[in-house]
Amino acid sequence: DVKVTQSSRYLVKRTGEKVFLECVQDMDHENMFWYRQDPGLGLRLIYFSYDVKMKEKGDIPEGYSVSREKKERFSLILESASTNQTSMYLCASRGRTNTEAFFGQGTRLTVV
Amino acid sequence: DAKTTQPTSMDCAEGRAANLPCNHSTISGNEYVYWYRQIHSQGPQYIIHGLKNNETNEMASLIITEDRKSSTLILPHATLRDTAVYYCIGLGFNKFYFGSGTKLNVKP
Repeated sequence: DVKVTQSSRYLVKRTGEKVFLECVQDMDHENMFWYRQDPGLGLRLIYFSYDVKMKEKGDIPEGYSVSREKKERFSLILESASTNQTSMYLCASRGRTNTEAFFGQGTRLTVV
Repeated sequence: DAKTTQPTSMDCAEGRAANLPCNHSTISGNEYVYWYRQIHSQGPQYIIHGLKNNETNEMASLIITEDRKSSTLILPHATLRDTAVYYCIGLGFNKFYFGSGTKLNVKP
């Protein structure tokens, strides 16, 4: 059974903290994605990576960075968490073109 | 990337077929149409995808019009567990763009 695993289901952090969200996939996929999901706004792409150490900005990269040191792991970093980054964060991975993407269970982050 | 348009919500009686439409008039010739669903507070779940031919798997059927400007996802016998938000998305080279989707309410 294919798996995309996010390190935490729920997370509460304080304003100004550096936050790491981890995502691991076991499918040897080249492509990995980070989205955030907010009511009324749908899923919005933050960053994606198409290979180790390669990354591209999505639609809303401000306030975020990413790291892909190994193929199976894609980390999202909030350099200095703010309350407007309270959201559901979803990681996804995908193999070659025209195949489906698989999503993790999501991390609900609350910044207080 | 294709922009997709879906109804905001639909109701379906349990045991009946649920037909969810999607318009994707800007889809390009080599762009697949993907369907996902999201049950409350979970990650999106892949359902099915297709290019131009109709597709069927254990979850659903996908009917794509000949001009590829629209498609319909069919859940043949909807159950209460099929209540979810259903997303029709056009796939860019390496990005998935999700719209607002259709909230399907399956009622007893």
